[in-house]
Amino acid sequence: GQNIDQPTEMTATEGAIVQINCTYQTSGFNGLFWYQQHAGEAPTFLSYNVLDGLEEKGRFSSFLSRSKGYSYLLLKELQMKDSASYLCAGMDSNYQLIWGAGTKLIIKP
Amino acid sequence: GAVVSQHPSWVICKSGTSVKIECRSLDFQATTMFWYRQFPKQSLMLMATSNEGSKATYEQGVEKDKFLINHASLTLSTLTVTSAHPEDSSFYICSATGTSGRPSSYEQYFGPGTRLTVT
Repeated sequence: GQNIDQPTEMTATEGAIVQINCTYQTSGFNGLFWYQQHAGEAPTFLSYNVLDGLEEKGRFSSFLSRSKGYSYLLLKELQMKDSASYLCAGMDSNYQLIWGAGTKLIIKP
Repeated sequence: GAVVSQHPSWVICKSGTSVKIECRSLDFQATTMFWYRQFPKQSLMLMATSNEGSKATYEQGVEKDKFLINHASLTLSTLTVTSAHPEDSSFYICSATGTSGRPSSYEQYFGPGTRLTVT
């Protein structure tokens, strides 16, 4: 079956770095997405990886290892506004997104 | 660019009535639109996928006669919750992908969501 696993909740300190891990099992693979979702709002796109390696985009970076079925989202210089849920989603061979349950990130001052 | 709107943002209705939610792509043509439901503290659950001019494809366990989806044009899809019951209360979110070119055919652009409360 298809499955996305990510931690339920993480806590980090303002100004620090946090890494949110995601493992995936999909029928075929057409890429891995990360979305940010603030409470009561719709998800917003953060990153898309389809090749192995690290993609850096400002304070956020996303890594993919296809052989390990593994990705992580790295957030640097954490700000209070980064408190949100982070959703990992794998795209299968039918270009369908398989969503993880999300990781709630709590930032403390 | 790549803006998706939803209307209404929130709605309260009585049990047994029907509610229509609109999803519009404002600055691109959406060949495919997706409808999701999200219960509190849970992940997004895909309800159905719709392509312009054709019938929607519903996920297993989603009643097509209860959740009517119409994708009449490349910029508009509607979800109608018929004979709503309190257990249908949820956050309904649509997303859209564009034609080849801009925006990327892989990325889904989400609407702001509609919070439905059935009393």
